[in-house]
Amino acid sequence: DSGVTQTPKHLITATGQRVTLRCSPRSGDLSVYWYQQSLDQGLQFLIQYYNGEERAKGNILERFSAQQFPDLHSELNLSSLELGDSALYFCASSVARKGEKLFFGSGTQLSVL
Amino acid sequence: ILNVEQSPQSLHVQEGDSTNFTCSFPSSNFYALHWYRWETAKSPEALFVMTLNGDEKKKGRISATLNTKEGYSYLYIKGSQPEDSATYLCAFQPNSGYALNFGKGTSLLVTP
Repeated sequence: DSGVTQTPKHLITATGQRVTLRCSPRSGDLSVYWYQQSLDQGLQFLIQYYNGEERAKGNILERFSAQQFPDLHSELNLSSLELGDSALYFCASSVARKGEKLFFGSGTQLSVL
Repeated sequence: ILNVEQSPQSLHVQEGDSTNFTCSFPSSNFYALHWYRWETAKSPEALFVMTLNGDEKKKGRISATLNTKEGYSYLYIKGSQPEDSATYLCAFQPNSGYALNFGKGTSLLVTP
């Protein structure tokens, strides 16, 4: 158990809908990362938050947004969903010093039908 | 986009065989190279983080080396066991940022 909690584990929805994925980092970790794993792709970095502030942005679509709350949990919002958004979404946390390893949650499997 | 390449894409070995995989990454703007192990139905778990050229790390039968000047890292598994079956991911962390850029992984299957 990495100590990172992601909910829900599975999500099935329809095109055009909006969903929210939730992540609670390990106790003491200030930084949260979101990654997307889709078929034939490696883990694609979406966005990173540190202590409530956006720190880095990767290949995140404009339809996607995220935030980190004062209690350090984070939410990833995906809207106007398309079939191609079906993927495994991981949250990871770290103490946020460079060179520190990431601790991954168990992921949310999103299926857009 | 920071290209991180891993080879081979997949590998099938017999129990007791030793094996190794390669991770290639940009040799400039380097800060750290991470290795993760991802077992089926679980989440990726960190094996090593290396920051210095020539670094060597070891954990049991698994070891890794780092060459930042030429931009590659090797992961070695000595005497592979079925429980070593997993996807092994490497990730490049640039000096200019915090995000890890992952390769697509090497999928290892060890059969008895």
